[in-house]
Amino acid sequence: KNEVEQSPQNLTAQEGEFITINCSYSVGISALHWLQQHPGGGIVSLFMLSSGKKKHGRLIATINIQERHSSLHITASHPRDSAVYICAVLYNTDKLIFGTGTRLQVFP
Amino acid sequence: GAGVSQSPSNKVTEKGKDVELRCDPISGHTALYWYRQSLGQGLEFLIYFQGNSAPDKSGLPSDRFSAERTGGSVSTLTIQRTQQEDSAVYLCASSLQTSGGVYEQYFGPGTRLTVT
Repeated sequence: KNEVEQSPQNLTAQEGEFITINCSYSVGISALHWLQQHPGGGIVSLFMLSSGKKKHGRLIATINIQERHSSLHITASHPRDSAVYICAVLYNTDKLIFGTGTRLQVFP
Repeated sequence: GAGVSQSPSNKVTEKGKDVELRCDPISGHTALYWYRQSLGQGLEFLIYFQGNSAPDKSGLPSDRFSAERTGGSVSTLTIQRTQQEDSAVYLCASSLQTSGGVYEQYFGPGTRLTVT
């Protein structure tokens, strides 16, 4: 069983829709990353958070430490948001453990 | 400023040959990480450096894999006697010193290794 579970695995949306991607993890963590990977493979860190909520433009990330759950929200989705979104948790040893990713496609 | 850079961007090698992959972290970042993404699979941790020492090598898949870091900067991941299952994208990341704090990791563009 993967220590980091993401859902859904695949997500299709129409431009403008509100999108939510969920991440659950099984052990205590130092922090959680949300990463974005575009076709071609480059990875960009969107957020790192250890409590509460962060917002950057149309992206919002929340984390509930007690429930071991995080969500990534995209408001007013756009085709350029199409990518794989990866949740990764940071344990004491500072290495990241990754979820399997959510493939998002946003159509015009 | 400059981000994490990796070279080569693509490498095709024959089975049994040795390969070296290079990572240049962001200047001043003392922590450096190697990860691997195999085709159709998720990302997995390989090794972590703090300065020049590697406190966590738990992710290296076999003794054919080794890594070193010199001068607290550049790191090289070496794969000896490559096998087809080594084909993957190898990603490097760096962050500021981690002891006593939690810092964001910044990823390089990766090296796509194909073993024929």
